[in-house]
Amino acid sequence: DGGITQSPKYLFRKEGQNVTLSCEQNLNHDAMYWYRQDPGQGLRLIYYSQIVNDFQKGDIAEGYSVSREKKESFPLTVTSAQKNPTAFYLCASSRANTEAFFGQGTRLTVV
Amino acid sequence: DQQVKQNSPSLSVQEGRISILNCDYTNSMFDYFLWYKKYPAEGPTFLISISSIKDKNEDGRFTVFLNKSAKHLSLHIVPSQPGDSAVYFCAATHSGTYKYIFGTGTRLKVLA
Repeated sequence: DGGITQSPKYLFRKEGQNVTLSCEQNLNHDAMYWYRQDPGQGLRLIYYSQIVNDFQKGDIAEGYSVSREKKESFPLTVTSAQKNPTAFYLCASSRANTEAFFGQGTRLTVV
Repeated sequence: DQQVKQNSPSLSVQEGRISILNCDYTNSMFDYFLWYKKYPAEGPTFLISISSIKDKNEDGRFTVFLNKSAKHLSLHIVPSQPGDSAVYFCAATHSGTYKYIFGTGTRLKVLA
């Protein structure tokens, strides 16, 4: 089955810890994205990547880092510098000028 | 600066009637627009899109209208069904940028 897989579905982080969210796609899409959803704020773009080994900051990149070493994979690290990391994180992928496909999301909670 | 706006946080419609969800944008460079449906704790699923060279696109019960001069698009669902109850997001992008900007969403409730 083609699609986007995010893992884990639920993630708990202690204060001061870095955590990495996984995103893998087998759709052969060039572009991949990370969004964050908070109540009442829609989907906000964190980072996106158009090709391997290249990525750009979105609107809320502070406190996050990404890598794109393989076309299929775009992991997101939530660093200790992110002051309010509790949110629902969504990964997506797309070809040029077509719809983006989303994974099922990871809910991150700071404990 | 919110480039894509959905000014109605919620909408309730009777089953069988028309649902109309609205979206406004400010960036005149946007040339491709999309609607997504989202259930709680799940990823959004693509519904329908429209290019700026068109003013209407239809797919079954879903029709999207684009008014470029007003920088406004709308999604019509006819007839509305209880299974349509979800949050609907509009999104916009500019060809070649790969950057999709989403609105804040409208929660649709279809009453049986």
